[in-house]
Amino acid sequence: GDSVTQMEGPVTLSEEAFLTINCTYTATGYPSLFWYVQYPGEGLQLLLKATKADDKGSNKGFEATYRKETTSFHLEKGSVQVSDSAVYFCALIKTNAGKSTFGDGTTLTVKP
Amino acid sequence: DTAVSQTPKYLVTQMGNDKSIKCEQNLGHDTMYWYKQDSKKFLKIMFSYNNKELIINETVPNRFSPKSPDKAHLNLHINSLELGDSAVYFCASSQNSAKEPLHFGNGTRLTVT
Repeated sequence: GDSVTQMEGPVTLSEEAFLTINCTYTATGYPSLFWYVQYPGEGLQLLLKATKADDKGSNKGFEATYRKETTSFHLEKGSVQVSDSAVYFCALIKTNAGKSTFGDGTTLTVKP
Repeated sequence: DTAVSQTPKYLVTQMGNDKSIKCEQNLGHDTMYWYKQDSKKFLKIMFSYNNKELIINETVPNRFSPKSPDKAHLNLHINSLELGDSAVYFCASSQNSAKEPLHFGNGTRLTVT
């Protein structure tokens, strides 16, 4: 079946550090890929997405590129802020109204 | 505001009780979901409805029964609550497209004592 593997956390960085959270997937066909962010006490919200190979999703300084050859969708940000502290989830979906497959989540803490 | 809203936000109850969680979305989406998030933040899909029809039913005890009276509402009823049911339950909705994301509610934290 489909699966998503994320870099294990927790990840702790100092403010303005570079962030990478690795995400690789296993799926047949051509899934769409997503990064969601969950702030404390809230639900998940979409951070960015890419729906085909070589697409780059970007939002709030975060970026991720859909790499079909390495089946990866790594999340990056050049300079993190304290307010980026949250849990980040990588996910894929293949079919309309289908089941999203989520990674296990990576907890990021940014210290001032 | 357009959103997915679920009630209650917190639910504390004793083992053996029956409880319900309600969810409503005003985004015009056709598909709604229930997810369970455990204490380690792992997310697991429980159910999915598309236009009031059950389309995903993962391996969930039959003490859990979803009901969708219309495509804007998806409720979750839980019978005979157990300690292991303690978790955060999220409702979500999406358009009927594999290119569109899920929209989540803010969760219901269920604590069974």
